[in-house]
Amino acid sequence: QLQLQESGPGLVKPSETLSLTCTVSGGSISSSTYYWGWIRQPPGKGLEWIGGIYYSGSTYYNPSLMGRVTMSVDTSKNQFSLKLSSVTASDTAVYFCARHPRFGEFLKTTDYWGQGTLVTVSS
Amino acid sequence: SALTQPASVSGSPGRSITISCTGTSSDVGGYNYVSWYQQHPGKAPKLMIYDVSYRPSGVSNRFSGSKSGNTASLTISGLQAEDEADYYCSSYKGSSTLAFGGGTKLTVL
Repeated sequence: QLQLQESGPGLVKPSETLSLTCTVSGGSISSSTYYWGWIRQPPGKGLEWIGGIYYSGSTYYNPSLMGRVTMSVDTSKNQFSLKLSSVTASDTAVYFCARHPRFGEFLKTTDYWGQGTLVTVSS
Repeated sequence: SALTQPASVSGSPGRSITISCTGTSSDVGGYNYVSWYQQHPGKAPKLMIYDVSYRPSGVSNRFSGSKSGNTASLTISGLQAEDEADYYCSSYKGSSTLAFGGGTKLTVL
């Protein structure tokens, strides 16, 4: 059974960079069938897709966050990572890592999710 | 949010409800890659419907999806207490990106 687990600091200071890693177990991150993504949910609010990455390193970001987001992949560790720079209080959210089945360039859906990790931006 | 959902819906046990998800021809209307998720408090979302109308293995057939033009819909029939949750739609919106709806809170009366 595929499992995804987020890890990283739960508290980040304003203007600094948020860094999270997702470890995938029970399946290979190098599969050509999937993108791997990050999704966030501010407390009491809805879901926002942050971006996705292919095992080759190709990345696709939400235009609203372009310029602040960087994603990377480490196939040797079966992990992928998120960096979000210049954070403010509005970046406080539960961050989920997830798997996106793909068909060519198309992200079809999100079928597996990590449990989520709360990241608070505060001094 | 990129996709528009009603903030809340409610229904009595045993009845049916429908949640709408309205986008544009650049997302919902342009691709058959609409999904629906159920989220209980403090939990990760769970995939309930993908590719507009397909159910993953293990999801009750009380859940069904459809699409007409730029609006997708999730119907839950035979409402049960455990269906009370937040529901989100998502759609492919081009250039290998996804959009989510704002979410709908379902109350089972």
